[in-house]
Amino acid sequence: DVKVTQSSRYLVKRTGEKVFLECVQDMDHENMFWYRQDPGLGLRLIYFSYDVKMKEKGDIPEGYSVSREKKERFSLILESASTNQTSMYLCASRTQGFSNQPQHFGDGTRLSIL
Amino acid sequence: QKEVEQDPGPLSVPEGAIVSLNCTYSNSAFQYFMWYRQYSRKGPELLMYTYSSGNKEDGRFTAQVDKSSKYISLFIRDSQPSDSATYLCAMMITGGGNKLTFGTGTQLKVEL
Repeated sequence: DVKVTQSSRYLVKRTGEKVFLECVQDMDHENMFWYRQDPGLGLRLIYFSYDVKMKEKGDIPEGYSVSREKKERFSLILESASTNQTSMYLCASRTQGFSNQPQHFGDGTRLSIL
Repeated sequence: QKEVEQDPGPLSVPEGAIVSLNCTYSNSAFQYFMWYRQYSRKGPELLMYTYSSGNKEDGRFTAQVDKSSKYISLFIRDSQPSDSATYLCAMMITGGGNKLTFGTGTQLKVEL
């Protein structure tokens, strides 16, 4: 079974802090994704990565950056946390190539910015 | 207007009922359609994946796609309390970087 692990289930940070969210997958997947999930808005794509050291902006990249130095690890960075970044953050991965391959999700990090 | 519309519910049904969950979409370029199930405090897990118009069945679950109407459905037969979760539809354009566009999710509760 594919396992996508997010380092923290719950995180509380203060405004202005630099926040790192970590995601690791164990299936050698090329593609990795970061979403945020908010009530009434569903899942929105922040950033994604086709492969190591590659990244693309999603629909809502403002205030975020990412890092993919190793294939199995994809980090989301909040450069200067703000209260409107309080949300559930979900990481996903999938194998490249075949369109019928699904995205596999981690269990999320619930981030609160005070 | 959102690209994918989904009634958020909540939807409450008695055990054993047939459940119908639906999404409509506006972008005719969507070619792949998925249903994810998300239990409370967990990540979404893939339930069904379809490409063409028509029906696809897997146990108690049937996914239906009508591309001409831009409408997809998930049917759950003989619903169980363990089916209580949020159901998310998702869609993808081929060549679109494998990005998914999600509905907002429908919260389902199956009561004893």
